[in-house]
Formats: sequence, structure tokens, C-alpha cells
Amino acid sequence: EIVLTQSPGTLSLSPGERATLSCRASQSVSSSYLAWYQQKPGQAPRLLIYGASSRATGIPDRFSGSGSGTDFTLTISRLEPEDFAVYYCQQYGSSTAITFGQGTRLEIK
Amino acid sequence: EVQLVESGGGLVQPGRSLRLSCAASGFTFDDYAMHWVRQAPGKGLEWVSGISWNSGSIGYADSVKGRFTISRDNAKNSLYLQMNSLRAEDTALYYCAKGSSGWYLNWFDPWGQGTLVTVSS
Repeated sequence: EIVLTQSPGTLSLSPGERATLSCRASQSVSSSYLAWYQQKPGQAPRLLIYGASSRATGIPDRFSGSGSGTDFTLTISRLEPEDFAVYYCQQYGSSTAITFGQGTRLEIK
Repeated sequence: EVQLVESGGGLVQPGRSLRLSCAASGFTFDDYAMHWVRQAPGKGLEWVSGISWNSGSIGYADSVKGRFTISRDNAKNSLYLQMNSLRAEDTALYYCAKGSSGWYLNWFDPWGQGTLVTVSS
């Protein structure tokens, strides 16, 4: 199965700053079949990005995704207070199993 | 509005069985794959199983293969997860999620609120 490793584990930033979250795959993710989710305490995950770079419906344009092959990035251009949460990447390009990264916690500095 | 409502969770002894259900509404259920994803307390997300629109393609995580069975009833707009031989490590919040297409390898949107399964003696 494809293993996804997210870094850093925790990111401490202030509102207004730029956040860069990384997701690295143990093997190439076919056709950039990679998604990003945001999860806040006590809530279900919410889809942010699919196909590595396409924003889901209703997601603000300060969220952007990039990358291909084994290296992917989620960027939040200017952090708003509501952006502090846990972020997960997910690959769905494997023919056998879907996998998630272990998550990056974005906390207020 | 798409709604996914899970049920069937609870406290169960190790080795016993439990069946989870997910009632779907607000979309054409038999056009989409469906999935179960779990989250152990304080931990990350783990995909459990997925099923294509017509049940023709099914996948499982290695951790549940041979113990869990996913199924769907398109006439009832419902998804199920039969969990047998439960272990303590199966303790988690189980989410139902809608796939992005009929094929089961896809992204998930939206997710239900989850049903809690606790495996303990």
C-alpha cells in the first residue's frame, strides 16, 4: 500500500501568516489522485482539495494544493482564526487501498 | 442537501459482532461509491472499506480484511458494515462517507457525523 507521510507533525503560526503543509508518498500517486481534508475538534473531516490542486465547492481561495508524483503541498496563503485545525492528505490512486497521512496539527502561535 | 446518518455503534465484547448502518439522503445513492472510515480516540483517519455503486468492486484495509464485510442496499439508500471478531483496536468513531463517483477509488465528500464503536470486556 502507499504510505503517506505528512510534515511537520505540528505547525505553530499566527493569523495572517502563510502555512505550508507537506505530504510525501512512498510511491508515485497515479494521476495526482490526492486529496486534502480539514478536521476541527468534534467535527467530521471536510474536503478541501481533490486531484492535488482542485478546490472543493465552497472552499476559500486562500487554500491551494500543488504537487505530483510523490510530493504534494497544501498552502494556506493568509491564515484566518478558523483555519487552525488538523489537516490530512489522502491518496486514492492505488488499485488496492486508499490511505491517509497521519495528519498535521496547525495551531495558533 | 446530502445527509449521511450512521447508526449501530455501541459497546461490544472482544470477539463479538456488530453491524453498522448509514442512511443516505439528498443525492442519487446508486450513482456513487460509499466508504467507511474510522478514527480511534485521539488518532488519525483510517480508511476501512469502500464499495462501488453496484457492489461490483469492493476494497478493504488489511487491518479488517476477512473480519469486516461492506454491503449496500440501493433500494433503501443504505450502506452497511458487518464487523465480526472485533478486537480492542477496532475501537473508534466510524464515519460513513460518499465517494466522488461510482468507482470506489475516489475522494470523500461529504462525511457523516460518525457512530462510536467501543470494544471492551
